[in-house]
Amino acid sequence: VQLQESGPGLVKPSETLSLTCHVSGASITSWYWTWIRQPPGKGLEWIGYIYYRGSVKYNPSLKSRVTMSVDTSKSQFSLKLSSVTAADTAVYYCAREIEEGILTGYSNWLDPWGQGTLVTVSS
Amino acid sequence: QSVLTQPPSASGTPGQRVTISCSGSSSNIGSNTVNWYQQFPGMAPKLLIYSNDQRPSGVPDRFSGSKSGTSASLAISGLQSEDEADYYCAAWDDSLNALFGGGTKLTVL
Repeated sequence: VQLQESGPGLVKPSETLSLTCHVSGASITSWYWTWIRQPPGKGLEWIGYIYYRGSVKYNPSLKSRVTMSVDTSKSQFSLKLSSVTAADTAVYYCAREIEEGILTGYSNWLDPWGQGTLVTVSS
Repeated sequence: QSVLTQPPSASGTPGQRVTISCSGSSSNIGSNTVNWYQQFPGMAPKLLIYSNDQRPSGVPDRFSGSKSGTSASLAISGLQSEDEADYYCAAWDDSLNALFGGGTKLTVL
């Protein structure tokens, strides 16, 4: 299974960041797909996930600006983040989310990850 | 400020055993499983441990994970220079939000 992010590396403040993740080696209809970002020199931040039927879950701190979608015909899913500022400068990763059924609680993990793409927000 | 708390740094000498802790709460680690990721500079994170203590194929058995209550630990035995990397714990909360620890930078002295 391989994931590959693509999209502009530079976005102007107040505009919309748009990224796509192409999936190969796995059916995009069989898993949940996730976006994560990492500001330079900082830790990982979960952005959200999408299922091919349109079910989504977004990080509450980003929810008002995030939109995710899936294109099954192209085996890819996308991220849009609106009204970006310099604080949105980060390496953006896509990943597959795997869920294991357990008696109580949730057992989820992310594997594999794409190589990541740096998006800089600057005028 | 991350919801899951990790020490910012850890260190050890070759051959030593090192542990990295990850502290959460009843609504995340306390009720759901924990994962660990390894990240080298300029590279994407890689799954190291899933479901608290399971190793994906290809991960050396020097790496082990455990969980007790609202905390989890990653242990690396027989420390090697190539283990020098950043390590992140992760768990989902009861609302199905994914949470990451702030990361621990491991230095092999």
